[in-house]
Amino acid sequence: GENVEQHPSTLSVQEGDSAVIKCTYSDSASNYFPWYKQELGKGPQLIIDIRSNVGEKKDQRIAVTLNKTAKHFSLHITETQPEDSAVYFCAATRDDKIIFGKGTRLHILP
Amino acid sequence: KAGVTQTPRYLIKTRGQQVTLSCSPISGHRSVSWYQQTPGQGLQFLFEYFSETQRNKGNFPGRFSGRQFSNSRSEMNVSTLELGDSALYLCASSLVAGDGNTIYFGEGSWLTVV
Repeated sequence: GENVEQHPSTLSVQEGDSAVIKCTYSDSASNYFPWYKQELGKGPQLIIDIRSNVGEKKDQRIAVTLNKTAKHFSLHITETQPEDSAVYFCAATRDDKIIFGKGTRLHILP
Repeated sequence: KAGVTQTPRYLIKTRGQQVTLSCSPISGHRSVSWYQQTPGQGLQFLFEYFSETQRNKGNFPGRFSGRQFSNSRSEMNVSTLELGDSALYLCASSLVAGDGNTIYFGEGSWLTVV
């Protein structure tokens, strides 16, 4: 069946450095790719999304890139800050089906 | 604008009991979906409702059920609770169902089965 693989499962970066999280999807018909951030004790919050007709999208320190041919998309966080520490989930959506990656726990080191 | 509201936030139940969780979507949103989140399995889709009709269902046993009311509020019920049902249950809402609509999550209901 369809699945979304997310890597790495854990990522530690020095404060101020960049973090990159990668996801690969199997369903070539997927057309919408949201990213969610989940802080401890809270529900996932949408931080950025991209649709299949766009290759890259940026919102301040966060950017997402999509390679439809390779069926992978990535989240880039620049100038990381302590408040970026959280679990990040990618997802791939087609019609009414959404599949989530397993999540990446991001630690920002002081 | 208020976000997705879930109640209760925390609850403890005994094996064999049943539980009902409630979700109020963002005002104007008509689609509500439910997810189970556990450390080992990540976010797993339970079911989605739109206009009081279940549109999709994930791979969960019949003990898991839900419904949606005319005001778009939704409830999910788990009967004959098992220890493995301990999880964070997340509700999400979107304007309409499907077609890449952005879903917004609530804070979740933490269920512990003892």
